[in-house]
Amino acid sequence: SQQGEEDPQALSIQEGENATMNCSYKTSINNLQWYRQNSGRGLVHLILIRSNEREKHSGRLRVTLDTSKKSSSLLITASRAADTASYFCATDAGAGRRALTFGSGTRLQVQP
Amino acid sequence: GAVVSQHPSRVICKSGTSVKIECRSLDFQATTMFWYRQFPKQSLMLMATSNEGSKATYEQGVEKDKFLINHASLTLSTLTVTSAHPEDSSFYICSARSEGLTNRSPLHFGNGTRLTVT
Repeated sequence: SQQGEEDPQALSIQEGENATMNCSYKTSINNLQWYRQNSGRGLVHLILIRSNEREKHSGRLRVTLDTSKKSSSLLITASRAADTASYFCATDAGAGRRALTFGSGTRLQVQP
Repeated sequence: GAVVSQHPSRVICKSGTSVKIECRSLDFQATTMFWYRQFPKQSLMLMATSNEGSKATYEQGVEKDKFLINHASLTLSTLTVTSAHPEDSSFYICSARSEGLTNRSPLHFGNGTRLTVT
């Protein structure tokens, strides 16, 4: 069953602006991951944040995690046209279940 | 980095035929692979977990006789869509996690297979 919900479902911004995407989930997690998917392609892992972490950075990406609210956010700073893609959060519940549960995704369009 | 190869990338078949999709881990061994299905503009839904040397574990609502999974080696899992129907048209993606790492490691994805059943 689908666990994560993301908002917004779609986001259109201008190059240079920041893009923020939010993800909520329902169950306890071991970690939360963000993935990117270009149209018609597989997913590429962006960043992983563990349940005991609150914030993590990687280049222009910043991820936050609030386990009390069961939510996470992905911030892309100084966006580029090449950032245009769908972004998914995915939760890893651990406890032997090793598949990830994906959120509904945010379609980001960065206008040049 | 770890690479997962999936093919074919695109296949068109007629109703009633079967289609096999292969998923290979190129530079690592994977005792477990995951098969997802994705409808247009929607999220990935886990179909089944493929286990090397044993039966696959299917998610609720996924017909195991319809979607046959074979994981014969540590680097290859196959998904066969049997007696395909137009409603089986979808994007199928496999993934695997490098063995030897904890379950905190990310999944590596194939590039997906676009199946169209006419």
